[in-house]
Amino acid sequence: EVQLVESGGGLVKPGGSLRLSCAASGFTFSSYSMNWVRQAPGKGLEWVSSISSSSSYIYYADSVKGRFTISRDNAKNSLYLQMNSLRAEDTAVYYCARALNFGVVNPVGYWGQGTLVTVSS
Amino acid sequence: EIVLTQSPGTLSLSPGERATLSCRASQSVSSSYLAWYQQKPGQAPRLLIYGASSRATGIPDRFSGSGSGTDFTLTISRLEPEDFAVYYCQQYGSSRGTFGQGTKLEIK
Repeated sequence: EVQLVESGGGLVKPGGSLRLSCAASGFTFSSYSMNWVRQAPGKGLEWVSSISSSSSYIYYADSVKGRFTISRDNAKNSLYLQMNSLRAEDTAVYYCARALNFGVVNPVGYWGQGTLVTVSS
Repeated sequence: EIVLTQSPGTLSLSPGERATLSCRASQSVSSSYLAWYQQKPGQAPRLLIYGASSRATGIPDRFSGSGSGTDFTLTISRLEPEDFAVYYCQQYGSSRGTFGQGTKLEIK
């Protein structure tokens, strides 16, 4: 069974930093592209970033480019999101999400339960 | 960046009725790389449809997707009580996998 468990969320002040982690199990982590998707309270889904299986391809939404860094450690079956220069508008539940199939072009097939990041003074 | 616009914002229907949800893209979605997700309160989203018309594993056949280019549709043939939720479309053909703003399907 595919399992994705996020951690690292919490309360942080504007301008601060936070590192999210996602522990993956139940599949061959190194074979799949991974994503971060966020959802502000009461709002819709926003794609944040994606990384290919070998980290060769990395993409960011314009809203986070230059502030967030996605990475993965295939030996540890883990996905990360380093978030710097945080703003109030970054407040959201952050979901770790796995591609449906092998390859770069894929929808999100599996989702974690999310971790809440709150940016407030 | 491809912008997806979903309509209507809210759809009020009764169980047993047919639901038709629309997703329009600001430019053509390559190779019909369009997906639909369902999200219930307090839960993560669930993949329903990918490739514009392929049902994900375990999705009932009352859910169907259609369309190409810039216009896509999710149809639920006969609404069950558990179908009332928020639905999102997503294009994943470009390097940035943008979502639509969602359609809330509520019980009339």
